[in-house]
Amino acid sequence: GAVVSQHPSRVICKSGTSVKIECRSLDFQATTMFWYRQFPKQSLMLMATSNEGSKATYEQGVEKDKFLINHASLTLSTLTVTSAHPEDSSFYICSARGGLAESYNEQFFGPGTRLTVL
Amino acid sequence: QKEVEQNSGPLSVPEGAIASLNCTYSDRVSQSFFWYRQYSGKSPELIMSIYSNGDKEDGRFTAQLNKASQYVSLLIRDSQPSDSATYLCAGFSAGGTSYGKLTFGQGTILTVHP
Repeated sequence: GAVVSQHPSRVICKSGTSVKIECRSLDFQATTMFWYRQFPKQSLMLMATSNEGSKATYEQGVEKDKFLINHASLTLSTLTVTSAHPEDSSFYICSARGGLAESYNEQFFGPGTRLTVL
Repeated sequence: QKEVEQNSGPLSVPEGAIASLNCTYSDRVSQSFFWYRQYSGKSPELIMSIYSNGDKEDGRFTAQLNKASQYVSLLIRDSQPSDSATYLCAGFSAGGTSYGKLTFGQGTILTVHP
């Protein structure tokens, strides 16, 4: 399968700071990337969909001014959590889609970023 | 009806047995389906995709899709303790504002005991 990387894997920050998470597709061009959040023992929650060169589409209830998404190239999307607070502590996972035609709908997940806000 | 619904489990099977995971879906989900495995504290890993009616085999894994019954399943043969994880069924959303997204079931926790 395709390889997606995320950086950093873990971050601890103070309340009020901003955190940037990078998501890269390493061996294919990702036309679409997705950002998910997962709280302990809960299912994945889609936050937003980003397409290269256009604005992200946010899910209902997700604040676009708090979770800034940039998809500047076909291999890189970034999520910035602005003015993070303890309730933003979670496991953030990106996924990418857009590989081979026959597997176009498949999404490949990055390893995730565990954010802890003190 | 939820768009994608899994038998909630948890499911416990002995080592060497067949584990059967099941999923049903609504009309709002398209005909592309995926099974992901998620170990505790890790991100999901794609293990099977199925697009056509019938069976698809890959090693110890077999995915089955029945479009008439709107049912998709995953069979794991010769289950190993390393198969213990949460298995997520996902469907590709067919249209409207959800087009292009994956809709996930709530997951089934599988435990394979020695």
